[in-house]
Amino acid sequence: NAGVMQNPRHLVRRRGQEARLRCSPMKGHSHVYWYRQLPEEGLKFMVYLQKENIIDESGMPKERFSAEFPKEGPSILRIQQVVRGDSAAYFCASSLSGGRYEQYFGPGTRLTVT
Amino acid sequence: GQQVMQIPQYQHVQEGEDFTTYCNSSTTLSNIQWYKQRPGGHPVFLIQLVKSGEVKKQKRLTFQFGEAKKNSSLHITATQTTDVGTYFCAGNDMRFGAGTRLTVKP
Repeated sequence: NAGVMQNPRHLVRRRGQEARLRCSPMKGHSHVYWYRQLPEEGLKFMVYLQKENIIDESGMPKERFSAEFPKEGPSILRIQQVVRGDSAAYFCASSLSGGRYEQYFGPGTRLTVT
Repeated sequence: GQQVMQIPQYQHVQEGEDFTTYCNSSTTLSNIQWYKQRPGGHPVFLIQLVKSGEVKKQKRLTFQFGEAKKNSSLHITATQTTDVGTYFCAGNDMRFGAGTRLTVKP
């Protein structure tokens, strides 16, 4: 019973490049959340998705960031033209349903922008 | 959206002392969840509280949900070095509090 999987675990990008972060939810989970965590800080909500739908993207920066959760395959968080300030840990979580169900977190992707 | 505030931001205790972190919301919550994140790790679900005034225990951890469902607390009795980490609460829209970072001196 695999947990939430994220890859890559570590990603290094130069300024201006694109970063693609992948998240495979737990089996049977159709709700995915993305969070960003800066060193020594809390979890900042970014986006909440169900299969093929963005439910809440109020935490996503308006530019350069996008997320999807296609019918088949993992959820993708995409950051275009990365800047140094994008360096952070990005966690994905999945749940059985929204709101009242606990979230299971993946190990995170540590993004470093040089 | 709702905001959940957590205090204190940091807590340093001697092993064996008790520890409490508090979570407060400006609006009524339908439920509250608690998570623990070890240094360098990812958040791990601890518990969910749903009912007004609810109290749940997990070994040395006691979780409470306020009568008005606007606040919650996590209390650890006789801390151990394995309790080190950051404890987060999350409201029903999955916005997390800033967390309380606990360090334990052996």
